[in-house]
Amino acid sequence: AQTVTQSQPEMSVQEAETVTLSCTYDTSESDYYLFWYKQPPSRQMILVIRQEAYKQQNATENRFSVNFQKAAKSFSLKISDSQLGDAAMYFCAYRSGGTSGSRLTFGEGTQLTVNP
Amino acid sequence: ETGVTQSPTHLIKTRGQQVTLRCSSQSGHNTVSWYQQALGQGPQFIFQYYREEENGRGNFPPRFSGLQFPNYSSELNVNALELDDSALYLCASSRGIPGRMNNEQFFGPGTRLTVL
Repeated sequence: AQTVTQSQPEMSVQEAETVTLSCTYDTSESDYYLFWYKQPPSRQMILVIRQEAYKQQNATENRFSVNFQKAAKSFSLKISDSQLGDAAMYFCAYRSGGTSGSRLTFGEGTQLTVNP
Repeated sequence: ETGVTQSPTHLIKTRGQQVTLRCSSQSGHNTVSWYQQALGQGPQFIFQYYREEENGRGNFPPRFSGLQFPNYSSELNVNALELDDSALYLCASSRGIPGRMNNEQFFGPGTRLTVL
């Protein structure tokens, strides 16, 4: 079974600064996808960024980028120019590439605080 | 807003009772997944419905059951409620064949269930 580990229960960053959230995963599969989701106090889970395992190039979405190290099974999220609206719980998630289903396996989450 | 709605927003039940939670998927989506998120933890996959058939199940007992209707909306039923069932229940809808990359899951705001 796949597992996802987020070793930082809490992180804080100053507004306009850069912060990196860590995630490691364990799998024996070669075809899979990785995601970062944001869950603000409103509880709605929002997709931040995704990465296909077969792609060597790291995904980027505006101020959000990932550092995907497939051999190390590491998938960190970097938030540049942090904004107050970035404050939320962030979850790293794994999904198998097979067509048998599209269940997401989540980590325990990292609570990000952005200080003005 | 993702277009995925859930009802009710909050629910309080007593141990042993039964509960039904509802999810309306985003327009054009034919797959619904359900997740249980205990306080301070990441979501755990319960099951998924694709075109009205169960398409994968997580490690949850049979008293957790579901339905998907022809309009692709879905219900989650939990019988014989236990105190540990207290959690946020999230549904997510997606389009296309489960497992494909474009099968992004869009989450609803969740139903907060409290079991006393």
